[in-house]
Amino acid sequence: DAKTTQPNSMESNEEEPVHLPCNHSTISGTDYIHWYRQLPSQGPEYVIHGLTSNVNNRMASLAIAEDRKSSTLILHRATLRDAAVYYCIYAGNNRKLIWGLGTSLAVNP
Amino acid sequence: SQTIHQWPATLVQPVGSPLSLECTVEGTSNPNLYWYRQAAGRGLQLLFYSVGIGQISSEVPQNLSASRPQDRQFILSSKKLLLSDSGFYLCAWRTGQANTGELFFGEGSRLTVL
Repeated sequence: DAKTTQPNSMESNEEEPVHLPCNHSTISGTDYIHWYRQLPSQGPEYVIHGLTSNVNNRMASLAIAEDRKSSTLILHRATLRDAAVYYCIYAGNNRKLIWGLGTSLAVNP
Repeated sequence: SQTIHQWPATLVQPVGSPLSLECTVEGTSNPNLYWYRQAAGRGLQLLFYSVGIGQISSEVPQNLSASRPQDRQFILSSKKLLLSDSGFYLCAWRTGQANTGELFFGEGSRLTVL
């Protein structure tokens, strides 16, 4: 199974950067790392994904370790609307994404 | 543009009653389709996925079943619900390369079995 490890919870202050870590030591060379976030009573929302190089989009940045065994999702300036559960996942060629418990991010005003 | 809809949004069912949750995708063809369940305070558990019409893969033994009668329709069913079937059910689709395709989720269906 494609398993990732994340801290259960993290806390940040509004307007400050947030670094959400993820370990994925069993990832293979062709597996993309995906990040999603979920607000209460909603379906998860795609945030970003990458393979080897660091990635940036309008929502966040993804920093991938050189050995690809870990990655970090970076929210450059946290807002109250960023409070959510963040999931780090990857899928092998069997097309299955295995979801862990994610990191519950609290943002303080 | 692509959209995904699932219904009903909320339902309360007695133990032993049947279940049917429906999910449809618009604006794409031959999507990979998924049913997930999320129990309170837990992560998403993959229940079923489908790569084509009539092709269903089951991930966990349970009293639920899934069917894909049309390319963009995915149905989750049960003949007799259990208390443990309560949860938040999410349908999702993706297309493109299996490793890179973004997953798009429906609005979710909250099931309470009493």
